[in-house]
Amino acid sequence: EVQLVESGGGLEQPGRSLRLFCTASGFSFGDYGMDWLRQAPGKGLEWVGFIRSKTYGGTTEYAASVKGRFIISRDDSKSIAHLQMNSLKTEDTAVYYCARQGGAWSRDYWGQGTLVTVSS
Amino acid sequence: QSALTQPPSASGSPGQSVTISCTGTSSDVGAYNYVSWYQYHPGKAPKLMIYEVSKRPSGVPDRFSGSKSGNTASLTVSGLQAEDEADYYCSSYAGNNILLFGGGTKLTVL
Repeated sequence: EVQLVESGGGLEQPGRSLRLFCTASGFSFGDYGMDWLRQAPGKGLEWVGFIRSKTYGGTTEYAASVKGRFIISRDDSKSIAHLQMNSLKTEDTAVYYCARQGGAWSRDYWGQGTLVTVSS
Repeated sequence: QSALTQPPSASGSPGQSVTISCTGTSSDVGAYNYVSWYQYHPGKAPKLMIYEVSKRPSGVPDRFSGSKSGNTASLTVSGLQAEDEADYYCSSYAGNNILLFGGGTKLTVL
């Protein structure tokens, strides 16, 4: 059974950093690209970015709202994807989800999310 | 790019059909057949219901169907059941390795 579990969320001050983790199980993690997405309170889903599998270079893409501040990485030996969030802003407050890339730009499995609150 | 546009709410009685729209532009929904739909029950993991406009993943009931016309994609839920009550989100590839989502539609089963 495919499972994705996010962790690392919490309360952090503006300008500080936070690192989220997505621990995967039930599939060959290294064969898949992995996404991070978020949902701010009362808002819809927002794509944050993704990391390709090593087969496709392990490169990353980011939404304009986080480019230059957030970094996605992966450790295939541990089946973990990371989201390093730097220079946090209050508008980064959201539930953060990781998701596995399916075909045709779908995301076929998601975790239940971890809450990040940015506030002074 | 702007988010895709969905109606904030939709409703129907058990057994009825309801259609949720997802409007984008000629640069996203209209340009690619890469529209997906997700079902979200608060506190749970979002679930993929439709991908590539109209394809259903294994295990998704055939009561769920998707279509697209021009810049607007649609999700139709036929034979509404109580468990279909949830939030539904559309997404579309928008080129340049960017994925857009809609604002979500809360489906209420009356």
